[in-house]
Amino acid sequence: DTGVSQNPRHKITKRGQNVTFRCDPISEHNRLYWYRQTLGQGPEFLTYFQNEAQLEKSRLLSDRFSAERPKGSFSTLEIQRTEQGDSAMYLCASSPGTDGDEQFFGPGTRLTVL
Amino acid sequence: GQQVMQIPQYQHVQEGEDFTTYCNSSTTLSNIQWYKQRPGGHPVFLIQLVKSGEVKKQKRLTFQFGEAKKNSSLHITATQTTDVGTYFCVPLPYSGGGADGLTFGKGTHLIIQP
Repeated sequence: DTGVSQNPRHKITKRGQNVTFRCDPISEHNRLYWYRQTLGQGPEFLTYFQNEAQLEKSRLLSDRFSAERPKGSFSTLEIQRTEQGDSAMYLCASSPGTDGDEQFFGPGTRLTVL
Repeated sequence: GQQVMQIPQYQHVQEGEDFTTYCNSSTTLSNIQWYKQRPGGHPVFLIQLVKSGEVKKQKRLTFQFGEAKKNSSLHITATQTTDVGTYFCVPLPYSGGGADGLTFGKGTHLIIQP
């Protein structure tokens, strides 16, 4: 399967714990995006990378959130000191690298903070 | 990102009936993409509209971009149960304006009664 993959698919954690999610984009896709989606809402943009450079961050991305893409391939999203309001589906998407390209989404990681 | 108003938010139809969802923007759009998200699934790209007045068809789906590039619509003829899901219209920023992540909005939830 050459699509976008995300791990883990589900994560349950206690409030205050740190969690890390991984995204493996489609091979050779230069751009990688992170979104957050809550029930009944559309995905909300969090941040994106062009290769290894993080080029944009949403105001939604508090200082407890950090994302990396160290080698320009896979990416990680870490949430420190999780809060119940962080419970959501975290979606990763990738695109070839030109503005206006379609984005290919992964299956997401569902985070539940107890 | 640019904002659009998508209506209706929910639509119940009987299987076999037609369905239309509309997107309206107060500003002229560069391009617009449409995505579909099945219940429990992730967004999947359907199409991109670029030209003023453009009409594109995919089997039972017809996509239109307004002459002023301020509105767009998706029409499904003779709905089937496989059409169930949420349809998002997603405006794209103008080139040179920065590669924002996509702005999804709440979409239109299509519910089909057999």
